[in-house]
Amino acid sequence: NAGVTQTPKFQVLKTGQSMTLQCAQDMNHEYMSWYRQDPGMGLRLIHYSVGAGITDQGEVPNGYNVSRSTTEDFPLRLLSAAPSQTSVYFCASSSGGEGYTFGSGTRLTVV
Amino acid sequence: AQSVTQLDSQVPVFEEAPVELRCNYSSSVSVYLFWYVQYPNQGLQLLLKYLSGSTLVKGINGFEAEFNKSQTSFHLRKPSVHISDTAEYFCAVSAPGGSYIPTFGRGTSLIVHP
Repeated sequence: NAGVTQTPKFQVLKTGQSMTLQCAQDMNHEYMSWYRQDPGMGLRLIHYSVGAGITDQGEVPNGYNVSRSTTEDFPLRLLSAAPSQTSVYFCASSSGGEGYTFGSGTRLTVV
Repeated sequence: AQSVTQLDSQVPVFEEAPVELRCNYSSSVSVYLFWYVQYPNQGLQLLLKYLSGSTLVKGINGFEAEFNKSQTSFHLRKPSVHISDTAEYFCAVSAPGGSYIPTFGRGTSLIVHP
């Protein structure tokens, strides 16, 4: 079982560039979400999905887009990278109230 | 809406000593409660969860937590810690139904000294 797979693990972007962080899960989970983790801030929710074709905004959605065309995949798009988006990004999935399974993260630096 | 407060940002302790990491939550509805652990440069791993039933919940690695509804707390405990328990611990709350999206506390860094 791969669980939740995130790619890439590390990325350096220049200000203004765009990119997509990939997230895939093989557990047939309905619920998926994206968080960013910054020192002293805990995890903050960016976007989430309750099923294929359904997405919604979290606490810090500005500058990010998501789509959910399949149950397995939930990519996160940075439209025009800014230094404030330097962070560690985690994707997670769940079947409901049992708790979320997390990926190993993508460490993004925007210069 | 719900929120989580982890009362200590850092907890230093000596190996084989007991430890308690404190978590308080607020919510206007019934809740699910979770503790996650994050080892350096890794993702979060579920330690234990409270969904319903017995208020004392046992998890992996010898950890346990007690749900106290009247004090809106869900403190994490371990009777004897090891060096390998050094990690960041996150308390989280979610509401049954809907998106099940958890709200996380800011984390407590457990530092175990030899």
